[in-house]
Amino acid sequence: SQKIEQNSEALNIQEGKTATLTCNYTNYSPAYLQWYRQDPGRGPVFLLLIRENEKEKRKERLKVTFDTTLKQSLFHITASQPADSATYLCALLYNQGGKLIFGQGTELSVKP
Amino acid sequence: DAEITQSPRHKITETGRQVTLACHQTWNHNNMFWYRQDLGHGLRLIHYSYGVQDTNKGEVSDGYSVSRSNTEDLPLTLESAASSQTSVYFCASSRGGPQETQYFGPGTRLLVL
Repeated sequence: SQKIEQNSEALNIQEGKTATLTCNYTNYSPAYLQWYRQDPGRGPVFLLLIRENEKEKRKERLKVTFDTTLKQSLFHITASQPADSATYLCALLYNQGGKLIFGQGTELSVKP
Repeated sequence: DAEITQSPRHKITETGRQVTLACHQTWNHNNMFWYRQDLGHGLRLIHYSYGVQDTNKGEVSDGYSVSRSNTEDLPLTLESAASSQTSVYFCASSRGGPQETQYFGPGTRLLVL
C-alpha cells in the first residue's frame, strides 16, 4: 500500500528564516499533491496544490516543489513568522477514486 | 458565508452505544468525506460520498456507516462504539473532480469509555 512520510520530529526555526518541510512517498507517483495547514483544535486548511507535471508552485511566501524521480515534495515558507507555527500536512491524490491520502504532518514552531 | 459544520464538537459515550456525528455543508458540494485523526496515524479516510445516495468505504470503515439523503448532510454512525474509536473526527467536502480542494469542518472529539 502507499506510504507517505513526513518529518516526524517537530521543526523549530527562528523568525525570518526559511522553513523547509519534506514529504516522501513510496510506490507510484500521485496525479496531484496538496499541502494543508492545521492549527491545534481545528480542521486542516488547504494551502497549495501541485500537479505531477509541475516542478514548482508558488503562493506569496510559500513554495512547493515536486520531484517524481525522488518521490518527494518540499514545502518552503520564506521569511517565516511566529504566526506560521502550525502542523503542515501533505496529501496525495491519485486519479482513481479521487481520494486523498494524508501524511502524519510535521509540526513547525517559529520562534521570535 | 458558506461553511461546513460538525456537531457535537465533543462527545463522551459508553462502549456498545450507537453514536451519530453530524456533518452539514452549505457549499452545495457533491463530494463529502469522513476522516479520523489519531496520534501516529494522521488523517485516515473512513467513508466518502460523491453525491446523493452514493456512499463508499474508505481505509478504516469497519464499525462505521454513512448515508447521503441530500447534498448538504453526511452523518457518520458508529453502530456499537468501541474504545478503539476514541478519536477526533473530521468531515470534509469538495466541489467535484479529483483535484478539488477539500474543505474541513472543525472536528468532533469523541471519547468512548
